[in-house]
Amino acid sequence: RKEVEQDPGPFNVPEGATVAFNCTYSNSASQSFFWYRQDCRKEPKLLMSVYSSGNEDGRFTAQLNRASQYISLLIRDSKLSDSATYLCVVPPRWRAGGTSYGKLTFGQGTILTVHP
Amino acid sequence: DAGITQSPRHKVTETGTPVTLRCHQTENHRYMYWYRQDPGHGLRLIHYSYGVKDTDKGEVSDGYSVSRSKTEDFLLTLESATSSQTSVYFCAISVQGQPNEKLFFGSGTQLSVL
Repeated sequence: RKEVEQDPGPFNVPEGATVAFNCTYSNSASQSFFWYRQDCRKEPKLLMSVYSSGNEDGRFTAQLNRASQYISLLIRDSKLSDSATYLCVVPPRWRAGGTSYGKLTFGQGTILTVHP
Repeated sequence: DAGITQSPRHKVTETGTPVTLRCHQTENHRYMYWYRQDPGHGLRLIHYSYGVKDTDKGEVSDGYSVSRSKTEDFLLTLESATSSQTSVYFCAISVQGQPNEKLFFGSGTQLSVL
């Protein structure tokens, strides 16, 4: 299994739709996960963090399934402005002392297009 | 906005020439990173720094070197640019004082090596 794997899409949905993306990871020791959003020709920006079973922020819900080693991002009531690439991010294994620095692994991203 | 600026924003250079990209931050963050982004590969870590003069290699460090002589500046150097180094380069910092927590990225540098 790849370290981080995402369905590249593209997902093409109408405004108002609910859409979900999954991201699978191979490092079972990872403690926290992130979703980033990247607009075309722009830098990635942090969308959500996932530290336990899940996290909700308005129309966005991120969930973590440790048993199956995947995280998901659910977007409800899609807006045109949600069109972007969504990157799943998995930090490295936590080291002794509680710090984890080094290689973050980014998924290749899932492209979402929301149309009128 | 975490006060990160990258320069230059765009660079076209020829194979074999040296190139230095600069990342500047204004908020005294300890951890800084250089990534490259290519179609089909996503974002890949080149080098990172956890303090002045403390740097380490990422997964694609061959052909790159870095320096951090001041907290605010993290320089990425391609000693002899090759066409395979054509890419978009992003600098990032870790906020909240912990490595790999909540990265903030600069706007990127589009580098073309002809």
